[in-house]
Amino acid sequence: GAVVSQHPSWVICKSGTSVKIECRSLDFQATTMFWYRQFPKQSLMLMATSNEGSKATYEQGVEKDKFLINHASLTLSTLTVTSAHPEDSSFYICSARDRESYGYTFGSGTRLTVV
Amino acid sequence: AQKVTQAQTEISVVEKEDVTLDCVYETRDTTYYLFWYKQPPSGELVFLIRRNSFDEQNEISGRYSWNFQKSTSSFNFTITASQVVDSAVYFCALKYNFNKFYFGSGTKLNVKP
Repeated sequence: GAVVSQHPSWVICKSGTSVKIECRSLDFQATTMFWYRQFPKQSLMLMATSNEGSKATYEQGVEKDKFLINHASLTLSTLTVTSAHPEDSSFYICSARDRESYGYTFGSGTRLTVV
Repeated sequence: AQKVTQAQTEISVVEKEDVTLDCVYETRDTTYYLFWYKQPPSGELVFLIRRNSFDEQNEISGRYSWNFQKSTSSFNFTITASQVVDSAVYFCALKYNFNKFYFGSGTKLNVKP
């Protein structure tokens, strides 16, 4: 079945540094990928939609300069949390839409802790 | 506006009991999809089922069954003869506007031995 690899699965970084999270579709091409954020014991909230070769579309209230998204190929999207602060600590999860089957597959998530 | 309500924050049952997780949705779209996902403690989202708005047939898959009723905007999920491995957070989600997902707040299911 369709697999989305998300890396790293967890990361601890110092406040003020930047962290890059990768979302890779392993056996299908994804023209569209999505980034979600989940606070402890809360639901997933869509942050942004990225389309291959174009700028990401951010949801209301999400700072695009803080959460940089790059979707450079049909199998890879990256989320960079710039100048991370403790309040950015969260679980980030990506989803990829198969350009052939239109199915959606979620990655395994990245737990970011900013200290 | 889209909305998914999972009123049950947490449910505890004893193994072998049946349990139903409720999901009520709101949307103005005539075409939409509803999903259920399981999120175990490890965090990944496990796809369970997808239903489109034109298909109200109930579905059974092993111990899992789903009841989709457009008249009440509900898409409930029942686990029969629950097992400890069913313990997880379950999310109901609505796909709208072609690509966007709106997730409910989730129901944490605790199945005790």
